[in-house]
Amino acid sequence: DSGVTQTPKHLITATGQRVTLRCSPRSGDLSVYWYQQSLDQGLQFLIQYYNGEERAKGNILERFSAQQFPDLHSELNLSSLELGDSALYFCASSVYSGLAGSAGTDTQYFGPGTRLTVL
Amino acid sequence: SQKIEQNSEALNIQEGKTATLTCNYTNYSPAYLQWYRQDPGRGPVFLLLIRENEKEKRKERLKVTFDTTLKQSLFHITASQPADSATYLCALDASNQAGTALIFGKGTTLSVSS
Repeated sequence: DSGVTQTPKHLITATGQRVTLRCSPRSGDLSVYWYQQSLDQGLQFLIQYYNGEERAKGNILERFSAQQFPDLHSELNLSSLELGDSALYFCASSVYSGLAGSAGTDTQYFGPGTRLTVL
Repeated sequence: SQKIEQNSEALNIQEGKTATLTCNYTNYSPAYLQWYRQDPGRGPVFLLLIRENEKEKRKERLKVTFDTTLKQSLFHITASQPADSATYLCALDASNQAGTALIFGKGTTLSVSS
């Protein structure tokens, strides 16, 4: 058990809908990362937050947004869902701030993931 | 563009043998490289981190090498066991590039048969 929790475990919805995925980091971790994993693309970095502020952005679509709240939990919002958004969404947390060059030494602890199916 | 390649999608070996997985990268100059293990339907789990000046790192039956000239890391599991069957991911620090943090390879799925 990594100490990172994600809800829900599974989500089935229809195209065009909007969903919210939730993540609680390990106790003491200030950074939260979101990843999308599909069979053909592998694990893709979406976005990172540190202590409530956005720190780094990957290949996150404009239809997707995230935030980190004062209690450090994070939510990933996916809107106008398309079939291609079906994937496993992982949240990870770490201690470090995400300052340039620090991510390489920054062990990330992953949650169990949310499996999103868009029909 | 930046690229990480793991040598093969699947590797099948017999119990007791040494498994060697390869991670190659281009257009990166990472100071660190990490390896993670992922079981089906679960989140990746951190295994080892190696710095560019360390050349080799060991942890129990695991060994990682890092050759910045070849832009390659090798991941070895000695005396492999069926319980080692999983997908192994390498990851690089790309946070000095705009909009990225850790970049993962697609992984190599290792199957150890008894």
